[in-house]
Amino acid sequence: QQQVKQSPQSLIVQKGGISIINCAYENTAFDYFPWYQQFPGKGPALLIAIRPDVSEKKEGRFTISFNKSAKQFSLHIMDSQPGDSATYFCAARSGGTSYGKLTFGQGTILTVHP
Amino acid sequence: NAGVTQTPKFRVLKTGQSMTLLCAQDMNHEYMYWYRQDPGMGLRLIHYSVGEGTTAKGEVPDGYNVSRLKKQNFLLGLESAAPSQTSVYFCASSPFSGANVLTFGAGSRLTVL
Repeated sequence: QQQVKQSPQSLIVQKGGISIINCAYENTAFDYFPWYQQFPGKGPALLIAIRPDVSEKKEGRFTISFNKSAKQFSLHIMDSQPGDSATYFCAARSGGTSYGKLTFGQGTILTVHP
Repeated sequence: NAGVTQTPKFRVLKTGQSMTLLCAQDMNHEYMYWYRQDPGMGLRLIHYSVGEGTTAKGEVPDGYNVSRLKKQNFLLGLESAAPSQTSVYFCASSPFSGANVLTFGAGSRLTVL
C-alpha cells in the first residue's frame, strides 16, 4: 500500500526546459512534505519542503506547489540543467508521534539533455 | 564532519547467510532509521530508533533485526538472507522528532544469490 504516489517514473527534459513531478497522498494526517534529490551512488538529500498551510514555496529554480483539497503536490524545476539529472523523491510525514518517519513516493529519474 | 557513515558499501551473500550492516553518525542525533530502496518502490522504512536502547518496526520489518546499543550506532541484521532482500540499504538520522531534515548515508548495496 503506497501512501504517497509519485509520477512520472522517469522524465527527460531538454536543457532550459521545465521539469514537473507530481505526487498524491491519502493520509490527511501528513503535515510536512519534503522533496529529496539523489545523485547516483549517493544518499538522498533534502532539496525543498512545504507545509500544508502554504500553497507554494520557491527556492531558486525549484518550486513546490501544494493543493491541500486535492491532496496533491508537485515539484517544478525551472530552467532545468544537466546537473539537475538525478532521482527525485517526494515524501510526507505524519504529525504527532511520527518520530520523524517519512513515507516516500516511488521516485522519478530525471534526465536533462544538454 | 562525516555525517552518516555506512559499512560495508557492497556485499554479496548466498541465500541463508547472515550479515550485519553498520550505521554510524557523529552528529549526536537521537533518531535513526533504516530504509531500503528498490526500483519503482521508492524508499521503505524497515526499522527505526528513537534513542539509545530503543527500536521499533517500520513498514517492511520482516527478515530484519536491529540494535542500538550506542547512541551513535544503528545496526541492521539479516539472520538468514533471501534473494528478496537484494536491495540498496540507506541509514538516516534526525536530531529529534520535530526536526525537518533526515541526513542519509551513502548506502549499502546488498546482493543475495
